[in-house]
Amino acid sequence: AQSVTQLDSQVPVFEEAPVELRCNYSSSVSVYLFWYVQYPNQGLQLLLKYLSGSTLVKGINGFEAEFNKSQTSFHLRKPSVHISDTAEYFCAVSPNAGKSTFGDGTTLTVKP
Amino acid sequence: GAVVSQHPSRVICKSGTSVKIECRSLDFQATTMFWYRQFPKQSLMLMATSNEGSKATYEQGVEKDKFLINHASLTLSTLTVTSAHPEDSSFYICSAVINSNTGELFFGEGSRLTVL
Repeated sequence: AQSVTQLDSQVPVFEEAPVELRCNYSSSVSVYLFWYVQYPNQGLQLLLKYLSGSTLVKGINGFEAEFNKSQTSFHLRKPSVHISDTAEYFCAVSPNAGKSTFGDGTTLTVKP
Repeated sequence: GAVVSQHPSRVICKSGTSVKIECRSLDFQATTMFWYRQFPKQSLMLMATSNEGSKATYEQGVEKDKFLINHASLTLSTLTVTSAHPEDSSFYICSAVINSNTGELFFGEGSRLTVL
């Protein structure tokens, strides 16, 4: 079984500041890692994914995440946020051919 | 790119009626789709796994007779909320597996159900 812990339920930040949304996971098998974003009253969109290879992955909208196997983490970062980045962010893990497990989500609020 | 379309986006119904929500994969075939329920400010709660050509697999605590799932084709899964009650009011989201090797998902836009 897998579990995902998003360490911050809410992250307020000022516009143009950097941000990091933290995600830790546990799993007895190898997993693939994902970050999804949800804007109000919408479904989820894939931001980025780690499947294999380079541990630093880049996604859409200037986001990137680093897979750290020893720390079982997959933190999401952006060097400079915009108002439009205000949304709910979900970290997810998926074992090979298995169902994804989602974290509880982190609400990112970007203030002017 | 691949798109999953969910319809309707909003529906209001009277208590006791049934409501059907459709989830379509528009340019790819989806053998497996998932249905979730999301309460305000909370994460996704997986309700069931919809498998094309076979019965859905429901998560523990989800009433299969209340939440009927049909996956009759490789591009369409439907969720029917039967005899809806106000407590069924929620945001329902579907997803389709775009890569069965990695579990990557494409999500529908969600459906807001309000039962009066």
